[in-house]
Amino acid sequence: GAGVSQTPSNKVTEKGKYVELRCDPISGHTALYWYRQSLGQGPEFLIYFQGTGAADDSGLPNDRFFAVRPEGSVSTLKIQRTERGDSAVYLCASSLMLGNTIYFGEGSWLTVV
Amino acid sequence: TQLLEQSPQFLSIQEGENLTVYCNSSSVFSSLQWYRQEPGEGPVLLVTVVTGGEVKKLKRLTFQFGDARKDSSLHITAAQPGDTGLYLCAGPTGAGSYQLTFGKGTKLSVIP
Repeated sequence: GAGVSQTPSNKVTEKGKYVELRCDPISGHTALYWYRQSLGQGPEFLIYFQGTGAADDSGLPNDRFFAVRPEGSVSTLKIQRTERGDSAVYLCASSLMLGNTIYFGEGSWLTVV
Repeated sequence: TQLLEQSPQFLSIQEGENLTVYCNSSSVFSSLQWYRQEPGEGPVLLVTVVTGGEVKKLKRLTFQFGDARKDSSLHITAAQPGDTGLYLCAGPTGAGSYQLTFGKGTKLSVIP
């Protein structure tokens, strides 16, 4: 498709488990962003990439969260030892370059039980 | 920390009515953006305002950026059911200003 693609769309996992969320940006977009949106809140910044490198990871809440983008295209957000408070919609977005209009995917809804 | 406060939090109106929603901050922003988000989807950019006092129109939607660049408003004329959604304002923050800080949003329901 032409838009940002995120998988899985829904994930239910048990507390303490490891989770990976994948983002496939719009073809040709060099910048990629991850946000988290909890119920009743606006999106909260986690990390963004320019190419393969994490240009700003200041929004990652703690060291259980990690994101990679090894080839400058697809990105994976990794969450270790999940906690119930990690339950949220994880939104990925991409833009042609940093500072250009960002386009969001539909999100991955994570529920930790 | 630059925060954006949106009001009202919820708004339910009849089709054809006019409405205004607000986005306020104690901090100056270089620009503000408005997004609309529908259930199960990501936010979609509606507009970016950059200059203090700027007014932008998008069909029945009018966006205004405050003179001091600390606040913005969105006015919808003759609301339609298709306008239903979560309206979010966001401003650039952080190193390089490439991360966005979002408000909590205004959830609008337009009743036919």
